[in-house]
Amino acid sequence: DAGITQSPRHKVTETGTPVTLRCHQTENHRYMYWYRQDPGHGLRLIHYSYGVKDTDKGEVSDGYSVSRSKTEDFLLTLESATSSQTSVYFCAISESRGGLKRFTEAFFGQGTRLTVV
Amino acid sequence: AQSVSQHNHHVILSEAASLELGCNYSYGGTVNLFWYVQYPGQHLQLLLKYFSGDPLVKGIKGFEAEFIKSKFSFNLRKPSVQWSDTAEYFCAVNANTGNQFYFGTGTSLTVIP
Repeated sequence: DAGITQSPRHKVTETGTPVTLRCHQTENHRYMYWYRQDPGHGLRLIHYSYGVKDTDKGEVSDGYSVSRSKTEDFLLTLESATSSQTSVYFCAISESRGGLKRFTEAFFGQGTRLTVV
Repeated sequence: AQSVSQHNHHVILSEAASLELGCNYSYGGTVNLFWYVQYPGQHLQLLLKYFSGDPLVKGIKGFEAEFIKSKFSFNLRKPSVQWSDTAEYFCAVNANTGNQFYFGTGTSLTVIP
């Protein structure tokens, strides 16, 4: 398995509180992603990063922010948690290879189960 | 934006039955294609991938998939499923020049012993 560690693995938090999830990689991959997984929706991209301090929004970015100050760490922050953000959050990494910018597959972390009460 | 459709949401099979899960994508350019498996309570693991070359791709655990460009499809197959194949299966696409992965909504496979 790729060296991806997500923390915490489980968290219960109250509505309105800020929450930060951490993704740490040891593969030195340039690209990092945050997805949420919900029944009936599959995986939906929240934010992604294509380098240190370079991030962009995915399809469900409202209510979330990210930061990447080091290659190995990608943080996801729920600014004010709501019950609709109860989900399983997955971090993934990828890399591009060769002159044609061909991407490798995405490697996934173990996930963080977040419950907002 | 790209999209991925998985038409089978829930499939139930008996052991030794053959499996085919459908996946269609919408993108006119060159793509990379993937199938991932997620066992209960675990993270996504790569089953197989297609970048170029032979459109029939073989993956782990006896799975294979066929890329049909004219149909924008990348269907997953296995000749004989086992109880241990019970899992959720996700199709994903990545444009050859893009840095995002788009996933289908998944197909839940239950194999009955």
